[in-house]
Amino acid sequence: RKEVEQDPGPFNVPEGATVAFNCTYSNSASQSFFWYRQDCRKEPKLLMSVYSSGNEDGRFTAQLNRASQYISLLIRDSKLSDSATYLCVAWTRGNNRLAFGKGNQVVVIP
Amino acid sequence: DAGITQSPRYKITETGRQVTLMCHQTWSHSYMFWYRQDLGHGLRLIYYSAAADITDKGEVPDGYVVSRSKTENFPLTLESATRSQTSVYFCASSESLTGYGYTFGSGTRLTVV
Repeated sequence: RKEVEQDPGPFNVPEGATVAFNCTYSNSASQSFFWYRQDCRKEPKLLMSVYSSGNEDGRFTAQLNRASQYISLLIRDSKLSDSATYLCVAWTRGNNRLAFGKGNQVVVIP
Repeated sequence: DAGITQSPRYKITETGRQVTLMCHQTWSHSYMFWYRQDLGHGLRLIYYSAAADITDKGEVPDGYVVSRSKTENFPLTLESATRSQTSVYFCASSESLTGYGYTFGSGTRLTVV
C-alpha cells in the first residue's frame, strides 16, 4: 500500500469556483503533513503545512483528520494561476524522508 | 546566487555509461536529498545526507552512488545507466529532518537511450 494516496484527477474547475480534494496516508505514526504545488516540468514548492487544528492561507484551507488519516485542501475562488498539480506529503520520524502522493492535477478553466 | 542549483538541466546518455548529476546549495543546510519523479510513482527518495561524509539510502537506491565531501555539494552518480533510470531528478536541502523547510532544485531531466 502506498504511504500517501491521492486521486490524480484531473480536476477541471471553472474560474471562480471552489475545489476540494483529499489524500489519505497509511502510517498512523506520520507526524507532519504538507501540501506542495508543482507546476508542469518544474520543482515542487511548499504551498502550506497542515496542522491538526486546520489552517488557512488566503484562498487555501488545509485540514488534517488524524482519526481517519486523511488530509484535505480546499481552494476558493479559483484563479487560472491555480492550475497545477498539488502534492500531498507526509513525514514520519524514523523514515527520514518526505513521502509524496502522486498529486492532484487541477485545471482552472476560464 | 543563493539557493540550490542542479546541473545539467537536461542530459541524454547511452545505456551503460556513467553519468553524474550535480547539486549545489548555498545555505549551508545540513541535510540534502535526491529524489526521482516518474509518471505513476510520484517523488521517491534515492539517497540523503545528514552532513559531509554521512549518507544513507532512501527508498530506491539501487544503481546510484552518492558522495558528500563538502557540505554544499551532493552529486548523484549513475554508475552504469539503464533505461529504467530515465526520469526527472530533484535535489533538495533542508536544515532539519522534521519535514519542514525543504527546498528543491529545478531538476535534471535524464534520458537513457
